Amino acid sequence: SAVISQKPSRDICQRGTSLTIQCQVDSQVTMMFWYRQQPGQSLTLIATANQGSEATYESGFVIDKFPISRPNLTFSTLTVSNMSPEDSSIYLCSVVTFEAFFGQGTRLTVV
Amino acid sequence: AQTVTQSQPEMSVQEAETVTLSCTYDTSENNYYLFWYKQPPSRQMILVIRQEAYKQQNATENRFSVNFQKAAKSFSLKISDSQLGDTAMYFCAFMGGSQGNLIFGKGTKLSVKP
Repeated sequence: SAVISQKPSRDICQRGTSLTIQCQVDSQVTMMFWYRQQPGQSLTLIATANQGSEATYESGFVIDKFPISRPNLTFSTLTVSNMSPEDSSIYLCSVVTFEAFFGQGTRLTVV
Repeated sequence: AQTVTQSQPEMSVQEAETVTLSCTYDTSENNYYLFWYKQPPSRQMILVIRQEAYKQQNATENRFSVNFQKAAKSFSLKISDSQLGDTAMYFCAFMGGSQGNLIFGKGTKLSVKP
């Protein structure tokens, strides 16, 4: 199993600013995944973060908007840049061993 | 590309009754995994049950069981003896054998009524 500590749990941010979300895993994992869950919607993959290489982004998500760091095998950050109200969502990180484990999620509100 | 479809946006069930949530998926892969996740208002994603595609036997976890029909690409979740704490969003998810990310359905909001 894996335990993921994600923070912050929630934040209210002004438009035009940036927020960095952190995920710490209690074991070493090769890949970490970042998802967005818009209000009332399902989870959509933003990107896959591998240690030592650039993240791989899904269609509709770009590095300038969602830069990701993966400095080691237990830690990753996702930054939501130049935020607008449309970025208000829950952001979750995930790792996979025999199943997918998720962080507690970050509820972001942009005003 | 793989897709996951949950055709029931909302369902309700009386406490102690049984309810079945539907899920269908589409893939050309032969080796994959299927999951049901529960998301209560706390927004934590909680694994309910997992099924490996190569296993013919349906997975069960206490009150939760699945009906996995590989040929039909169907993966329904049955909740027996429903409890108030089962009230949550339920997401069906697919993971390819060579990948680590999940593809989620749109979810079913389940309400258990006393």
